Amino acid sequence: EDKVVQSPLSLVVHEGDTVTLNCSYEVTNFRSLLWYKQEKKAPTFLFMLTSSGIEKKSGRLSSILDKKELFSILNITATQTGDSAVYLCAGYGQNFVFGPGTRLSVLP
Amino acid sequence: EPEVTQTPSHQVTQMGQEVILRCVPISNHLYFYWYRQILGQKVEFLVSFYNNEISEKSEIFDDQFSVERPDGSNFTLKIRSTKLEDSAMYFCASSEDDFEQYFGPGTRLTVT
Repeated sequence: EDKVVQSPLSLVVHEGDTVTLNCSYEVTNFRSLLWYKQEKKAPTFLFMLTSSGIEKKSGRLSSILDKKELFSILNITATQTGDSAVYLCAGYGQNFVFGPGTRLSVLP
Repeated sequence: EPEVTQTPSHQVTQMGQEVILRCVPISNHLYFYWYRQILGQKVEFLVSFYNNEISEKSEIFDDQFSVERPDGSNFTLKIRSTKLEDSAMYFCASSEDDFEQYFGPGTRLTVT
């Protein structure tokens, strides 16, 4: 059965800290790994990763995929209170399998 | 900026009733999806739809569920004979390329 595991499940940091969120996956016929940010309601797309070792970057956020070890990390540098959200990782193979999310709280 | 819209935002129904959840995907998108999220739990994939047919579906998407694109803009999820455990937030999403998905704001379904 396909599964996606994220760690930690919850994280509290102070503004300015750097955080690393982890995602490991077992997905049949793997095609890509996706990261989303979920604030109050709907997830919003952050990154899609298909190739190992190629970092995707958007502002203070970056992500990388390791297809050999079946994991991905999402880094957020210089965190701000607006980064507080649940960060979801999803594996796309035969269909989309989401992890439970990491709830990030950034304190002022 | 174009966005996915969903109606209603909240639907309350009695057990055993049928509900139709509506979505208007982004106009040039070709791939459509339904997900659900039970309160406090993870997002679960239900079904994907492309070229007027279901392309993938999960084990959750049984005979109780159906999807339809009745015209060029709407994408609907029908749940027949709702059960208490169908109470959840239902998200529609659309994509131009089957990767970057844009989610709608969700419909909260409450089955009493």
